[in-house]
This record gives sequence, structure tokens and C-alpha cells, in this order.
Amino acid sequence: LAKTTQPISMDSYEGQEVNITCSHNNIATNDYITWYQQFPSQGPRFIIQGYKTKVTNEVASLFIPADRKSSTLSLPRVSLSDTAVYYCLVGPGGKAAGNKLTFGGGTRVLVKP
Amino acid sequence: DAGVIQSPRHEVTEMGQEVTLRCKPISGHNSLFWYRQTMMRGLELLIYFNNNVPIDDSGMPEDRFSAKMPNASFSTLKIQPSEPRDSAVYFCASSLEHRGNYGYTFGSGTRLTVV
Repeated sequence: LAKTTQPISMDSYEGQEVNITCSHNNIATNDYITWYQQFPSQGPRFIIQGYKTKVTNEVASLFIPADRKSSTLSLPRVSLSDTAVYYCLVGPGGKAAGNKLTFGGGTRVLVKP
Repeated sequence: DAGVIQSPRHEVTEMGQEVTLRCKPISGHNSLFWYRQTMMRGLELLIYFNNNVPIDDSGMPEDRFSAKMPNASFSTLKIQPSEPRDSAVYFCASSLEHRGNYGYTFGSGTRLTVV
């Protein structure tokens, strides 16, 4: 599984856009990039997944450059409730054998009033 | 759908006692995962099942840990005997295999304290 590197923590303020960049230099051809969010005392929750270019849903956007060696999760206009740990994961998508998720340390995002 | 259901939410036990954690995956999901989370080690995958069969248990710390999945709607993680270093939050997750990384749903976890 490709190793990922992301910042340990980030601070932001309500209403701002938060961008978290994840490095995954050894990403494989069949790897997808997936982001999870974890609130205190809860299990991780799927946010978004992508393979290339840009993916957007009601929660976030995911930007993936052409070389796919990094990706950026963008949270628009954050609120206090977006304070959480955000995990970047890289691994095989689709029907892949041994399809298990390995979590890194994540990025702790603190949204201030 | 009620999501992945774990019980108990909290468990406090004495060192040496047997502990059993329970998980009910989302109906129709065919993969089930047990994770452990601590401040020091983060989220660690302990074991996962596919179609009720254990596929990879390389993350199980030692022989004191065992996991079973007798049917598609139930799994247990047992620690016998428990030790203080087993104190952690244990999460169960389920997914549809064909959805790859996309379809993981986690339960709310069981916070285990061994004194």
C-alpha cells in the first residue's frame, strides 16, 4: 500500500476554506485516493474518493494533479463542527483482493470562532 | 439502516478477565473489519473477514486476541486474558467488497478500559 504524508494539524476560522494536502509519491496505477473524517468519540466517516482530476460532493472537493503523487482535500466555508481528524488513504479501488484500509496519523483540523 | 452496531459502548474490566466485543455489520455488506485506536498507535487494523471467512489476521497483537464471524450479521472480538495495555477504542467496520475503499462504514466503537 502506498505511504501517505499529511500535516499533523491545521488551524482555521469559521467561514474559511481549508485545504489539506496529502503526499503519496508511490501511488500505484490502480490506487484510489480516499479521505475519511473522524470526530471525537466516533468512528471514521467516508468523505470523498477520487482517481484523477477533480471530484466534488456536498461535503468537499478533491483535487488530484496529473501525476497523482499528491492530492488536496478542500473543505469550503468551514464551521466549528468541521473540527475533526482527516485521514488520507491510498489503496486499490474496485474489486481488489486484500482490500483493507490502512490509516496514517491524519490531520487534526481545529476550526476557531 | 441503523449502520454498524457495536456493543457495549464502554467496558471496564480487571486485568486477567475475558472481554468480548460485539459487532453487527450493515445488512448486505460482505466484508467486516476490526480496528483498534490508541493515542500512541492511531488506528490499527486487527483482522478482517470477507464472506464470514478471516482473510488477514496479521494485525492481531497476540494469541490473547481472537475474532469470529459465525454468520453474516454478527462478529465478536475476544481478549483473554485482558491486560491494561489492551485499553483502547475498538472499532468495527463493514463494506461491500466490490466498492473498494469507498464503502467502509464504521461503528461508534467500544471504549475498553482494563484496570
